Amino acid sequence: RKEVEQDPGPFNVPEGATVAFNCTYSNSASQSFFWYRQDCRKEPKLLMSVYSSGNEDGRFTAQLNRASQYISLLIRDSKLSDSATYLCVVNPIIQGAQKLVFGQGTRLTINP
Amino acid sequence: NAGVTQTPKFQVLKTGQSMTLQCAQDMNHNSMYWYRQDPGMGLRLIYYSASEGTTDKGEVPNGYNVSRLNKREFSLRLESAAPSQTSVYFCASSEVSYEYLAKNIQYFGAGTRLSVL
Repeated sequence: RKEVEQDPGPFNVPEGATVAFNCTYSNSASQSFFWYRQDCRKEPKLLMSVYSSGNEDGRFTAQLNRASQYISLLIRDSKLSDSATYLCVVNPIIQGAQKLVFGQGTRLTINP
Repeated sequence: NAGVTQTPKFQVLKTGQSMTLQCAQDMNHNSMYWYRQDPGMGLRLIYYSASEGTTDKGEVPNGYNVSRLNKREFSLRLESAAPSQTSVYFCASSEVSYEYLAKNIQYFGAGTRLSVL
């Protein structure tokens, strides 16, 4: 089982729709969680950190369920500019927390 | 506002050739990383440096060496390139904090696209 698993998609949704991605992680000791966004042929960039039970940033909502070991990302009122690959990222340990584990990404295309 | 700068952006090598990928960050971060990204595989950690003077292996270190030249610079060397090393390479840096939970937000360079023929 992979440490971090995501549905690779692709997800194709119309502009204005709501779309949600899930991500599961295997290490129950994981402490920090993130969603990164990666545009085609570009570097990953932090979209949002996921704290406690979840948090919201504008149209984006991230949820964390520690009991079931999954993280979700919800995008409301999707825009064409939201088209990208979304990477689920987990920081599995506390001490020497240098290593992040990246999911393979979920590709999203927003259609006009 | 340079952030993390990688050079070169593109490179084509022949099998057996060597090269060094350069990375520099201007955010005064202690930690630096080298990843490779292949289709369907996600980002995989090659080596990292938690602080100046230290380096450690990541998930896929074979065939690579690294040097943390100073706090700003972290280079990745391919001594004898192989076609399996064709990939996109990303350098990243971060400042790990332990205020409440371990928090490691990494900032990436634009990447180096390497082809080994």
